[in-house]
Amino acid sequence: AQSVSQHNHHVILSEAASLELGCNYSYGGTVNLFWYVQYPGQHLQLLLKYFSGDPLVKGIKGFEAEFIKSKFSFNLRKPSVQWSDTAEYFCAVNRDDKIIFGKGTRLHILP
Amino acid sequence: EAQVTQNPRYLITVTGKKLTVTCSQNMNHEYMSWYRQDPGLGLRQIYYSMNVEVTDKGDVPEGYKVSRKEKRNFPLILESPSPNQTSLYFCASRNLLGGSSTQYFGPGTRLLVL
Repeated sequence: AQSVSQHNHHVILSEAASLELGCNYSYGGTVNLFWYVQYPGQHLQLLLKYFSGDPLVKGIKGFEAEFIKSKFSFNLRKPSVQWSDTAEYFCAVNRDDKIIFGKGTRLHILP
Repeated sequence: EAQVTQNPRYLITVTGKKLTVTCSQNMNHEYMSWYRQDPGLGLRQIYYSMNVEVTDKGDVPEGYKVSRKEKRNFPLILESPSPNQTSLYFCASRNLLGGSSTQYFGPGTRLLVL
């Protein structure tokens, strides 16, 4: 079945640590890829997206993601996290006008 | 201000009592969609619409109905709600540009079915 997998369900880091959240998808062909963030009590906001071109995508708030087609991956990274990055992060794939979300990764940053 | 609005934001109801959650966007987007968010399951698409009078099932359409009579509105209807429909619901919209445009989400509707 077509799916989006986020391997880490819950991640706890200290401030200034580096972050990498994994995302893999199981579709072949052309896909559009997204990372969304949901701060506590809020709706989803787009962090970054990949459609074509440079596989290294830069988003808001210092986040970036790298699309590796051969690995079907779109991992999210940030070199130095802040307490305000505490949130839930969702990877999503858009294919054939359907958007499939991963189950989310809860990120907790310790001050 | 470009936005997606949902009403109500919070709703408690009883099993079997029909309810409608409204969704409206002011960005002239063709594509609108409903998701439910449940702990450990992420967001799952219920229904989506690519234009007026065009709707399609998402991954979890059972127990829900939608309509798209106007471009800006996409209400979600639960004809006979059941406790397993207790969830957080998000409406979203975007331009239909081959999936390349940003999807905007509403603030969410938290539904409790007793």
